[in-house]
Amino acid sequence: DGGITQSPKYLFRKEGQNVTLSCEQNLNHDAMYWYRQDPGQGLRLIYYSQIVNDFQKGDIAEGYSVSREKKESFPLTVTSAQKNPTAFYLCASMLAGQEGKLFFGSGTQLSVL
Amino acid sequence: QKEVEQDPGPLSVPEGAIVSLNCTYSNSAFQYFMWYRQYSRKGPELLMYTYSSGNKEDGRFTAQVDKSSKYISLFIRDSQPSDSATYLCAMSHSGTYKYIFGTGTRLKVLA
Repeated sequence: DGGITQSPKYLFRKEGQNVTLSCEQNLNHDAMYWYRQDPGQGLRLIYYSQIVNDFQKGDIAEGYSVSREKKESFPLTVTSAQKNPTAFYLCASMLAGQEGKLFFGSGTQLSVL
Repeated sequence: QKEVEQDPGPLSVPEGAIVSLNCTYSNSAFQYFMWYRQYSRKGPELLMYTYSSGNKEDGRFTAQVDKSSKYISLFIRDSQPSDSATYLCAMSHSGTYKYIFGTGTRLKVLA
C-alpha cells in the first residue's frame, strides 16, 4: 500500500521538551513538506525539501528543525523554542515535475501538557 | 491582503443540491490550482487539480479556473451527506515548490 505515514497520531509535549514527529513515504516522491494547521488559519508551511540532504525554511520555521537523510523520511522536531506548538501537523509529498499533485499524510495532533 | 481568500462558511445545503465553492487570489503568476477535501482531524485529500485556465470534470466534481478574474470554483453536483467536510483550495506557480492554501470552507450537506 503506497502512501504517506505520519506517527504518532497524538503527541503531548511538556514545557522545555523537544519532540519529533515522524513522516515516511513509499511513493518514491522527491519533495516533502511540513505544514501546520490551526483553526481558521489554513495550512502554513514550516519546512520543505526538494531532494535528499537539502531543505528550505517555509513561512513559520522558527522553533522547528528538520532533516532529510533519506528520500522516504522527513522528520520534524518541535523544539522548546516553539512557544505555541499546539496544532495539527501535516506532512505532504510530491513527485518532481508533478506540480499540482501534492499528497498528504493523516496528520499528528500535538498538544502541550 | 492575503494571497488566497476563501469564505470559511459554514455552508449548509440540502442533499441533492449543487454546491459552489470559491477562492480568489492576487498573484497572477499562479498556474496550478487544486481542491482538497478534509474531514475532521484527517489529512486533506486531493480532489481536483487544474493547470492554467479552463474546466475539469471528474464524476460529480467540476473545477473551474478564471485567470482573468483570479477566481477558481469547485462545483459538487448531487451533493451527499458524505460530502460534508472542509474544502481547501491551493495554488502555486511554475518553478516553485511552494503552495499557498486558502483557509477552507466548511460544508454541511443535510439528509
